[in-house]
Amino acid sequence: KAGVTQTPRYLIKTRGQQVTLSCSPISGHRSVSWYQQTPGQGLQFLFEYFSETQRNKGNFPGRFSGRQFSNSRSEMNVSTLELGDSALYLCASRQGQGNGYTFGSGTRLTVV
Amino acid sequence: QKEVEQNSGPLSVPEGAIASLNCTYSDRGSQSFFWYRQYSGKSPELIMFIYSNGDKEDGRFTAQLNKASQYVSLLIRDSQPSDSATYLCAVRENNNDMRFGAGTRLTVKP
Repeated sequence: KAGVTQTPRYLIKTRGQQVTLSCSPISGHRSVSWYQQTPGQGLQFLFEYFSETQRNKGNFPGRFSGRQFSNSRSEMNVSTLELGDSALYLCASRQGQGNGYTFGSGTRLTVV
Repeated sequence: QKEVEQNSGPLSVPEGAIASLNCTYSDRGSQSFFWYRQYSGKSPELIMFIYSNGDKEDGRFTAQLNKASQYVSLLIRDSQPSDSATYLCAVRENNNDMRFGAGTRLTVKP
């Protein structure tokens, strides 16, 4: 059974640019969540999608957005990148709300 | 402000000892509790979950939950150097949000 797949693994972007990250959940998992991880802040919740609908959203500015497609694949977009957006972005999927997450390997974004 | 708190460590134990990792949470309506292990440079992986008060054992790992005290712990028996990692406590809150603690860094010394 394939795990959670995130692409790309690494990205270097310039301030002001925008970026799109992709996540394919485990087959059969309809819930996809995104987290930002930095050394100082730990894992910070961005948003959760279920059946193409955003179910919850964390405390991030509107520059961070996401969506989920009918095949449960998800993308997140960050516009007008800032230096502070440099982080590991983790996607996680789960079968139901009572289950734990399975995380992807993450996308490491560096903004210069 | 809902919180999940862990001692950031580092927690250092000798090989073969018991490592005890602790976590407290603020949302009294929390339903499920998870422990993740994260090796340096890797993503978190689920190692244990617990829903009911009491202990749950899986191999060398035991999760303990006390909902009245809003406290969950993870014990690692016969600690091995390969257990050296950051351990993240996660809580599924009453609104189904999954909130993570900042993690405890564990070092097991040979």
